[in-house]
Amino acid sequence: NAGVTQTPKFQVLKTGQSMTLQCAQDMNHNSMYWYRQDPGMGLRLIYYSASEGTTDKGEVPNGYNVSRLNKREFSLRLESAAPSQTSVYFCASGGDRVPYEQYFGPGTRLTVT
Amino acid sequence: AQSVAQPEDQVNVAEGNPLTVKCTYSVSGNPYLFWYVQYPNRGLQFLLKYITGDNLVKGSYGFEAEFNKSQTSFHLKKPSALVSDSALYFCAVRVGGGATNKLIFGTGTLLAVQP
Repeated sequence: NAGVTQTPKFQVLKTGQSMTLQCAQDMNHNSMYWYRQDPGMGLRLIYYSASEGTTDKGEVPNGYNVSRLNKREFSLRLESAAPSQTSVYFCASGGDRVPYEQYFGPGTRLTVT
Repeated sequence: AQSVAQPEDQVNVAEGNPLTVKCTYSVSGNPYLFWYVQYPNRGLQFLLKYITGDNLVKGSYGFEAEFNKSQTSFHLKKPSALVSDSALYFCAVRVGGGATNKLIFGTGTLLAVQP
């Protein structure tokens, strides 16, 4: 049982380059989430998907797009990377029903130069 | 506005001593509260939750948390700290409803346990 997996683990981009972060879960959860973690700011929600075929903006969606490919997979795309997007990105799933806890992937450390 | 506050950036405690990591929340309705732990270069791991019932909730690794409705607090506690407990701890509260269930996280508290 892999839980939530993310690829890649590390990535360095130049300003203006694009990339897609991949996330998959094998727990049959309806809901999936993308967060970014920055020092002193905790985790901030970028986008979430309450079910296959739906996506909604979170707290910090600017500069990102998402795709809920199927129930298992939820990808995050940076179309034109900026240094302000240097962060650690976490994917999570769960929260569908009581007790609403979410399960997290190992994270992707992204540096934009 | 719905929010979670962790007033301490860092908590230092000696091994064997009790520890407390503080969390207060502001949310409409009955709160669903969570504690997560993050070890260096790892994702977040679920520690414990409060949904309803007893105000003292027990979780993984000997941690417990006390829910106090009048003080809108959900402090994390452990009777005897271990060096291996050193990590970043996050408090979170559920917001939304129906098919939309999101968590709002505090800014995190770094726990440092000295041998």
